[in-house]
Order: sequence, then structure tokens, then C-alpha cells
Amino acid sequence: GAGVSQSPSNKVTEKGKDVELRCDPISGHTALYWYRQSLGQGLEFLIYFQGNSAPDKSGLPSDRFSAERTGGSVSTLTIQRTQQEDSAVYLCASSGIAALSYEQYFGPGTRLTVT
Amino acid sequence: KQEVTQIPAALSVPEGENLVLNCSFTDSAIYNLQWFRQDPGKGLTSLLLIQSSQREQTSGRLNASLDKSSGRSTLYIAASQPGDSATYLCAVWDYGQNFVFGPGTRLSVLP
Repeated sequence: GAGVSQSPSNKVTEKGKDVELRCDPISGHTALYWYRQSLGQGLEFLIYFQGNSAPDKSGLPSDRFSAERTGGSVSTLTIQRTQQEDSAVYLCASSGIAALSYEQYFGPGTRLTVT
Repeated sequence: KQEVTQIPAALSVPEGENLVLNCSFTDSAIYNLQWFRQDPGKGLTSLLLIQSSQREQTSGRLNASLDKSSGRSTLYIAASQPGDSATYLCAVWDYGQNFVFGPGTRLSVLP
């Protein structure tokens, strides 16, 4: 595709429910990244994939968060038993072959609101 | 733990001025540094990427420098325009495989 796309663009969920956020990277980009930006806060790095593999998952805020990527393309970020502090904009980015060497291109984000 | 700071937090200048945005990081063990702009309600746009072995990168009116040993980068914007108004973020990839963002500089260029 022409750019990184994310869905849904907005998600309102009740506390305790599970949510899935989706990211479609730029075609041909092998590296994919997830971030979140809470209201009034800076950007927080969550996890990155090189292909289907995530070398380090320690950036995920808690064990309620998980991410997977299949086929070297689409990735999903799953939040189980959502809490109000999970409310944020979740951003996805992708980059070229070498995750640490190429510019990252960001999607528009998914705004998650937990009520 | 890597920390990234940016100075100033906000800047307001008249159109046409040249300006410098500053970024500092505490751990010089980085792979690269990237500058972004973020427009209200929109995602991030990559501006410049500087590898750790490079000293500077240029794109149009933008020039970014990197002094890894001192933990500093500057973004120079020449002949500023109202369309440059946005929040500018710098971020570093460090050896811990963390991508750490600074808090940003909010720039307003007045016509």
C-alpha cells in the first residue's frame, strides 16, 4: 500500500474487555513497530518486529499486552482486560530491511478509549 | 536508561527566521537518531535519519547534525514558513533496542 494503515481509527471499549488493534505496514517493509502516546505524554516504544520475530518484548507495559505478526506483514496488538490507563493513541510504524538502519514511517494511529 | 530531552519546549518565531532545535540524549551508544514532525491530530512524519557514523543530514531547508560523543543533535530550519508549525520530535535507537523519543519542541511560525 501507499502508507502504513491502522484499524480501527477509534475504539471505545468498556473496562475489562479485550481489544485488538491492527497495523498494515508499507508493502515490502520487513520491520514493524508499535508505540503508544498517552494524553499529555510523550511517545512510548512498545515492541518491534523484524519479520515475524520480536527480539525484545520487555517494552510491553504489562502481561495484558501482546503482539504478533504473521506472514511478515500485518501485525496485531492485543490488550486483554483493558484498564482506563490503557487509553491512548496507539501508533504503528514500518521501515525497510534493517530495523535499526532505516527511517520509520508512521500510520495515523488508533485512538483507544477505555470507559 | 536512555533519556532524551529537547530544548526549547516551545518556540514562536516570525516567518523567514532561521532557527535551531536541540536534542540531547544521555547514552551515546546509539544506532541512529531520527527527527520527526507531528501535526495536531495527525501521525508522525519522518524528516531526517542520521546513522551513528554520520555527522549530518540535509533535506531541503532542514539540516540535522549529530555529535554522538556529546549526546547532542540539532535540527536547523532555514527560512521558516507558517507551514513549518508543528511539534518536532527527536528519537534515538539505542543498543538496548529501545526507540526513545524526546518530549518535543512545539514550533509556531507566525506569518
